[in-house]
Amino acid sequence: DQQVKQNSPSLSVQEGRISILNCDYTNSMFDYFLWYKKYPAEGPTFLISISSIKDKNEDGRFTVFLNKSAKHLSLHIVPSQPGDSAVYFCAASAGYALNFGKGTSLLVTP
Amino acid sequence: DAGVTQSPTHLIKTRGQQVTLRCSPKSGHDTVSWYQQALGQGPQFIFQYYEEEERQRGNFPDRFSGHQFPNYSSELNVNALLLGDSALYLCASSLWRGEYNEQFFGPGTRLTVL
Repeated sequence: DQQVKQNSPSLSVQEGRISILNCDYTNSMFDYFLWYKKYPAEGPTFLISISSIKDKNEDGRFTVFLNKSAKHLSLHIVPSQPGDSAVYFCAASAGYALNFGKGTSLLVTP
Repeated sequence: DAGVTQSPTHLIKTRGQQVTLRCSPKSGHDTVSWYQQALGQGPQFIFQYYEEEERQRGNFPDRFSGHQFPNYSSELNVNALLLGDSALYLCASSLWRGEYNEQFFGPGTRLTVL
């Protein structure tokens, strides 16, 4: 069963605008959440994380929001750049293993 | 500072054969995890090694086994290969600090089983 879900397979955003990628989870034991970016023929690259004791974490253009009551997190990218075009994976952990969603393919157009 | 490295990059095997994939963790990391990523899916956790012991295992059969060496590098072995084992195999390393930690991934090994 898929415990981490990314319901939007793809997203297209204009350069300079905000990109919002969403993720839902079902396991209330998850206490650490991460976002990874993946380019073709490369491994996932760590972007940003948040623990369950927080509801927001920022790192430059990237902000992750966590809504524990809704079991929902989102990644905001502001402003979006063409180099941000990649597949974004949401992951959640309750211990050692990371549980991944299926990914959202982001395309940032000039 | 080298990141996570994996070898080989690509591999073609036939059903029933055995395969060994290798991983060197990022410098300073002591924990290695292995993931399988099928086409169109997110990575699926196979197992994690710490202090040369398997400390957590995902929902994979015993045909999947591993090892961690004293220098923290690791191997993933898959016996009796099936067509469904064709996937990208990712190694991730991290530094165990007894709390939340980020895992850093290598480029993966693309395994094709014919």
